[in-house]
Amino acid sequence: SQQGEEDPQALSIQEGENATMNCSYKTSINNLQWYRQNSGRGLVHLILIRSNEREKHSGRLRVTLDTSKKSSSLLITASRAADTASYFCATDGGSGNTPLVFGKGTRLSVIA
Amino acid sequence: NAGVTQTPKFRVLKTGQSMTLLCAQDMNHEYMYWYRQDPGMGLRLIHYSVGEGTTAKGEVPDGYNVSRLKKQNFLLGLESAAPSQTSVYFCASSYIGEGWETQYFGPGTRLLVL
Repeated sequence: SQQGEEDPQALSIQEGENATMNCSYKTSINNLQWYRQNSGRGLVHLILIRSNEREKHSGRLRVTLDTSKKSSSLLITASRAADTASYFCATDGGSGNTPLVFGKGTRLSVIA
Repeated sequence: NAGVTQTPKFRVLKTGQSMTLLCAQDMNHEYMYWYRQDPGMGLRLIHYSVGEGTTAKGEVPDGYNVSRLKKQNFLLGLESAAPSQTSVYFCASSYIGEGWETQYFGPGTRLLVL
């Protein structure tokens, strides 16, 4: 099944630095979503970007989408210790018949 | 609004036992989903429902059954639990939009099958 793949699998940065995570997928999509999961918790939606959009912002988050390369990136600026979590991208099947498929995630550690 | 709630939070089963996990949402969402999350595997879709009375198989449906008798509830059943079903189970719901829209997740149920 189509699946977004996040890169890197793990990322460790200092507080205040920017964190960039990437997601690649295989087939056409209607939208791509990013979620955050704190340890032991459920996933929380961060941003949804549609296939006709190239960039979206939400607070310290910036998401880009390049449909020609079938890739997306999530940038967290001025990271904080509270940003420590796993981040997942999720893609739909493009045809509208396939529910979201989640990648395996990037584990971000922000060191104070 | 409570959002999406899951019952129970934690359960230990012996191999062969059965159980039902309950998911409830108060957001009037049409779509509901059951996932399992295993270390290093991300989330995998077990079953989903696009409306009351309808269910469909996801990526890993074997060994599970589901029912959506009421719009706000989505039940996941294990008829004969196996150690391979040890996992964290998440329920989610979403509204009807242009496609598969934002999902709202419950806190999860940790299941250990001995």
